[in-house]
Amino acid sequence: ILNVEQSPQSLHVQEGDSTNFTCSFPSSNFYALHWYRWETAKSPEALFVMTLNGDEKKKGRISATLNTKEGYSYLYIKGSQPEDSATYLCAFRDNFNKFYFGSGTKLNVKP
Amino acid sequence: DTAVSQTPKYLVTQMGNDKSIKCEQNLGHDTMYWYKQDSKKFLKIMFSYNNKELIINETVPNRFSPKSPDKAHLNLHINSLELGDSAVYFCASSQDIDREVSDTQYFGPGTRLTVL
Repeated sequence: ILNVEQSPQSLHVQEGDSTNFTCSFPSSNFYALHWYRWETAKSPEALFVMTLNGDEKKKGRISATLNTKEGYSYLYIKGSQPEDSATYLCAFRDNFNKFYFGSGTKLNVKP
Repeated sequence: DTAVSQTPKYLVTQMGNDKSIKCEQNLGHDTMYWYKQDSKKFLKIMFSYNNKELIINETVPNRFSPKSPDKAHLNLHINSLELGDSAVYFCASSQDIDREVSDTQYFGPGTRLTVL
């Protein structure tokens, strides 16, 4: 069983703060790393799919980087807003088409 | 229009019963998945189907069986329900699991199953 770990488990920030969290995954048999945003009582919503070492993706105030050699990805949120409050999930996809999800980082942005 | 839909949203049933959860996607995707969200809130893949073929079958009990009548549907049948089957089950779909370019999964709203 592969380990995909996310840290921190939860995060409380003030509106306007910038924040980042980490997803760690195995560096072998890497195929892709997915980031999802998951609001309470809704279903996961795709943010990024990252495949190449050194990849950087950006969507509005949210960006992500990928290091496949050391097995980590960072997700950054610039100028957090209350509507950013959600759980951010990462998922590691291996060369055998299997997906392994982390437990998520729960972000709470206070107005 | 909802891209990936599941029915029912809530399902409460007695231990020992047989039940089904339906999933439909209108995205024209080739691959569909079933996930179980466990008590620790982890998402764990149960099955995926590509062009009506089962391509990943995780070590789930054989009481669980996916049924795909066509490319747009992947239903989950559960026989002899047990208390431990209580969970939220999510359906998802993606374009093509065998492509060079990685794709994104689109999730349904989830079905909360409660076994009494």
